Amino acid sequence: EADIYQTPRYLVIGTGKKITLECSQTMGHDKMYWYQQDPGMELHLIHYSYGVNSTEKGDLSSESTVSRIRTEHFPLTLESARPSHTSQYLCASSEYGVDTQYFGPGTRLTVL
Amino acid sequence: SQQGEEDPQALSIQEGENATMNCSYKTSINNLQWYRQNSGRGLVHLILIRSNEREKHSGRLRVTLDTSKKSSSLLITASRAADTASYFCATDASGGSYIPTFGRGTSLIVHP
Repeated sequence: EADIYQTPRYLVIGTGKKITLECSQTMGHDKMYWYQQDPGMELHLIHYSYGVNSTEKGDLSSESTVSRIRTEHFPLTLESARPSHTSQYLCASSEYGVDTQYFGPGTRLTVL
Repeated sequence: SQQGEEDPQALSIQEGENATMNCSYKTSINNLQWYRQNSGRGLVHLILIRSNEREKHSGRLRVTLDTSKKSSSLLITASRAADTASYFCATDASGGSYIPTFGRGTSLIVHP
């Protein structure tokens, strides 16, 4: 089992709320990623980080933001949630120079 | 942009049979990875094959890579009901920092 954690696992909220999805890893990995995945579909990279104070946007345009103040922590924030944000959000990490990614269990977000 | 694409989209077999899934990609790669995802969970890394390798084994898994055809296959031998999951290939584009791209996956159901 990978030492990467996501909270909450499930979240149901109303439109317009601000939410933060938490992701933490205890492996000391430099690289961290956020993916969005709809049921039965591919993973879309929305944000990634090479290390502390590094954040990059991925392929999928997203209204979310991320921060990387500590190596182990990579939270994702939605300032104003909308129904179109309903999806599963997966966090992953990898060691720099090593290609294998370790994934958290995911957060399933529903915006009403 | 989507790099890897799995085929078939869905596969249903009986326990004990072999399962074969394919992945095609578009540009040159450094390596190709296969991951497994149980329903509603994060992905788990199965195997990595580098661009200079043609075949790799891990337990009941056999992966082949044909760089001339830009394709890979994952064979699961003597399948079990516990192999029921979605299987994804992930590729990187050679020449850059490793940011993997995932396909839509193959949904495998193994009937007891």
